[in-house]
Amino acid sequence: EVQLLESGGGLVQPGGSLRLSCAASGFPFSSYAMSWVRQAPGKGLEWVSVISGSGETTHYADSVEGRFTISRDKSEKTVYLQMNSLRVEDTAVYYCAKDLPGSRFGEAHNWGQGTLVTVSS
Amino acid sequence: EIVLTQSPATLSLSPGERATLSCRASQSVSSYLAWYQQKPGQAPRLLIYDASNRATGIPARFSGSGSGTDFTLTISSLEPEDFAVYYCQQRGNWPTFGQGTKVEIK
Repeated sequence: EVQLLESGGGLVQPGGSLRLSCAASGFPFSSYAMSWVRQAPGKGLEWVSVISGSGETTHYADSVEGRFTISRDKSEKTVYLQMNSLRVEDTAVYYCAKDLPGSRFGEAHNWGQGTLVTVSS
Repeated sequence: EIVLTQSPATLSLSPGERATLSCRASQSVSSYLAWYQQKPGQAPRLLIYDASNRATGIPARFSGSGSGTDFTLTISSLEPEDFAVYYCQQRGNWPTFGQGTKVEIK
């Protein structure tokens, strides 16, 4: 059974940093791209970032490009999202998702429960 | 960016009725269109991928159709647990979601 467990959310001031983690199990971790998708309170869904199965390729939404960095640790079976220069508009529940095999991406077959990031002074 | 427009915004139906949800793309996405269901306080769940393929464990009452720019999610007979928000999503050059359709109990 695929399991994705996010952690690392919390309250941070504008301009601050936070690192989210997503521990994965139940599938061959290095074979699948992994994504982060967020949802602001009461709003819709926004794809934030994706990393290929090998970790060699990353992509970001324009809204976070240059501020967020996605990475993965094969030995720990964990995906990370380093978030710097946080803005109020980054406030959201952040979901980790198991994406497509290899370097293809854009289809979230499995989701974690989400972790809430609140950016406020 | 490819914009997805879902209609209607809200669908008021009774259990046992048929639900038809629409999603229109601002340009062709071929068949790279997925549908998700989200209930309050829960993560989204993938229902349909590549326009018409049911994801693992999804009941047969859910079906998807369409290609290019016009897509439909059909729930043949609504069960009580189907009342939720439904999102379409495309995986062109960058994934984007529609704004959602809420299926509520009439």
